[in-house]
Amino acid sequence: EIVLTQSPGTLSLSPGERATLSCRASQSVSKNYLAWYQQKPGQAPRLLIYDASSRATGIPDRFSGSGSGTDFTLSISRVEPEDFAVYYCQQYDSSPDTFGQGTKLEI
Amino acid sequence: QLQLQESGPGLVKPSETLSLTCTVSGGSITSSSYYWGWIRQPPGKGLEWIATIYYSGRTHYNPSLSSRATIYVDTSRNQFSLKLNSLTAADTAMYYCARHGARSNGFRELDYWGQGTLVTVSS
Repeated sequence: EIVLTQSPGTLSLSPGERATLSCRASQSVSKNYLAWYQQKPGQAPRLLIYDASSRATGIPDRFSGSGSGTDFTLSISRVEPEDFAVYYCQQYDSSPDTFGQGTKLEI
Repeated sequence: QLQLQESGPGLVKPSETLSLTCTVSGGSITSSSYYWGWIRQPPGKGLEWIATIYYSGRTHYNPSLSSRATIYVDTSRNQFSLKLNSLTAADTAMYYCARHGARSNGFRELDYWGQGTLVTVSS
């Protein structure tokens, strides 16, 4: 199975700063079949990005995804107060679907 | 607006079988464009994909759980369900149902999620 490793584990930023979250795969993710989710306390995950760089419906353009192969990045251009949450990457290239362990974005 | 709602017992005893149902509203479970899946999250931990089903009954399982899990669909009720047997404390988790997009040879990202149901395995 493809193991996804996210870094850093915790990212401490202030509102208005740029956030860069990393997701590294143990083997190449073909066709960029990688997604990013945001999860706030007590809530279900919310899809942000699919196919590595496509924003899901209703997601603000301050969120962007990039990367290919084994290295992927989620960027938030200017962090808003509502963006503080845990972020997960997921690959759906090969079964079983797997998730990274998460990056917590905190103030 | 599509909505998914999980239902099931909040407390199950060790060695017993967990049965969960996801009711889909605002859309048809028989759409050819989607698959339907279960994902779980132990308290304070990350996400684990369990199983996914197509309305035709085609199933996919995480090998780590395939010997204990069964997913099935009831198109007449617009529902899909999960059974997980031989429960232990390690199965204590929030269980989510969700919708996958479909692709030519399988399924894609999870674009709609239920709110989740907490299942505790304890005597």
